[in-house]
Amino acid sequence: AQKVTQAQTEISVVEKEDVTLDCVYETRDTTYYLFWYKQPPSGELVFLIRRNSFDEQNEISGRYSWNFQKSTSSFNFTITASQVVDSAVYFCALRGGGSTLGRLYFGRGTQLTVWP
Amino acid sequence: KAGVTQTPRYLIKTRGQQVTLSCSPISGHRSVSWYQQTPGQGLQFLFEYFSETQRNKGNFPGRFSGRQFSNSRSEMNVSTLELGDSALYLCASSFSGSETDTQYFGPGTRLTVL
Repeated sequence: AQKVTQAQTEISVVEKEDVTLDCVYETRDTTYYLFWYKQPPSGELVFLIRRNSFDEQNEISGRYSWNFQKSTSSFNFTITASQVVDSAVYFCALRGGGSTLGRLYFGRGTQLTVWP
Repeated sequence: KAGVTQTPRYLIKTRGQQVTLSCSPISGHRSVSWYQQTPGQGLQFLFEYFSETQRNKGNFPGRFSGRQFSNSRSEMNVSTLELGDSALYLCASSFSGSETDTQYFGPGTRLTVL
């Protein structure tokens, strides 16, 4: 079974604060992929990052960084120096092995509000 | 490269009616997946099509169906609409739908059932 848990339902921060969004996953597959998507009020899910289960290197892209730890089954997302434009719902997602063709398992999402 | 497009963007229907939603994938993508998003259930997988064949299906009643055409465009149909079908329906495309692929989403169709 595949499962993603995002325990934080809502987070509010003030501009320029750093914020970390948590994601914990469950899977029995040895090969799997983890994703983060951003959903602004317009509704479209915007792809941010993909990691495979064999690559535990942390990744940084501008103000965004991701920390993948297999030991704790976590794939956390940090926004440094947050901006108002970062306000959105962020989803963590998991795809497992071949039986899950074309299917992502999503967490419930974290609503991030950045106040000016 | 154009992104995933979905039409219509908004729909209002009444209970008992049926509805058809359309999705055009990114050029070159052959896999199309559909998801339903509601405040109560979150994002739930409906089905996935590749080369006009349904390869995977989520846990939805038979009122929800879909198809894919030879140009990879996909439609989903909901018959005998219920109030609980009100949702944002998102379509995603990827090259082959394999586990290594990334899914890219369209803007969604917001369906309201009265």
